[in-house]
Amino acid sequence: SQQGEEDPQALSIQEGENATMNCSYKTSINNLQWYRQNSGRGLVHLILIRSNEREKHSGRLRVTLDTSKKSSSLLITASRAADTASYFCATNDQGAQKLVFGQGTRLTINP
Amino acid sequence: EAGVTQFPSHSVIEKGQTVTLRCDPISGHDNLYWYRRVMGKEIKFLLHFVKESKQDESGMPNNRFLAERTGGTYSTLKVQPAELEDSGVYFCASSHPGSPYEQYFGPGTRLTVT
Repeated sequence: SQQGEEDPQALSIQEGENATMNCSYKTSINNLQWYRQNSGRGLVHLILIRSNEREKHSGRLRVTLDTSKKSSSLLITASRAADTASYFCATNDQGAQKLVFGQGTRLTINP
Repeated sequence: EAGVTQFPSHSVIEKGQTVTLRCDPISGHDNLYWYRRVMGKEIKFLLHFVKESKQDESGMPNNRFLAERTGGTYSTLKVQPAELEDSGVYFCASSHPGSPYEQYFGPGTRLTVT
């Protein structure tokens, strides 16, 4: 079964609006992380939230984690054209360091 | 501080040939990971080194793939012989022993097998 499924698969919004992406997972985790991938580039680590945390902020990013629902959300506020990228959530199963990724959400910010 | 680097950035080979990918992790990062994304699929874990030792190789698809990390610094991933389904982007990541879950990724090597 697939861990870390993102929703929606694609999202297109106007610059300045907020973008929300969701991620669901299936097993018990240690951490959940969000990564960004610009077209043709590598994965950039955005934020890590631990299983005992419920919310975390980093600049314009806000991540929430609901372990009872096995879900997380990434909110990007005041979006910019440079935020156009694919966003992936990734989880660590308890006791394992390997990351399990979802298919990602393709975010497009229209000027 | 230099990030994770990978070489080459792109490789095009014919089916049956051999290709070797290289990854240089961030200095001081004992943990090194290989992942790959084949067309249309999610990014999948291949294996994990701690220094020069293979900690977890549960994601290696078959014995045509050989990863090494002699000396515990850079790592190579060799595919021999390459098959069409090996095409995709191969990512390397590294993490510090103090924060093993926070993995920093390289730009990836795009492998095309024709």
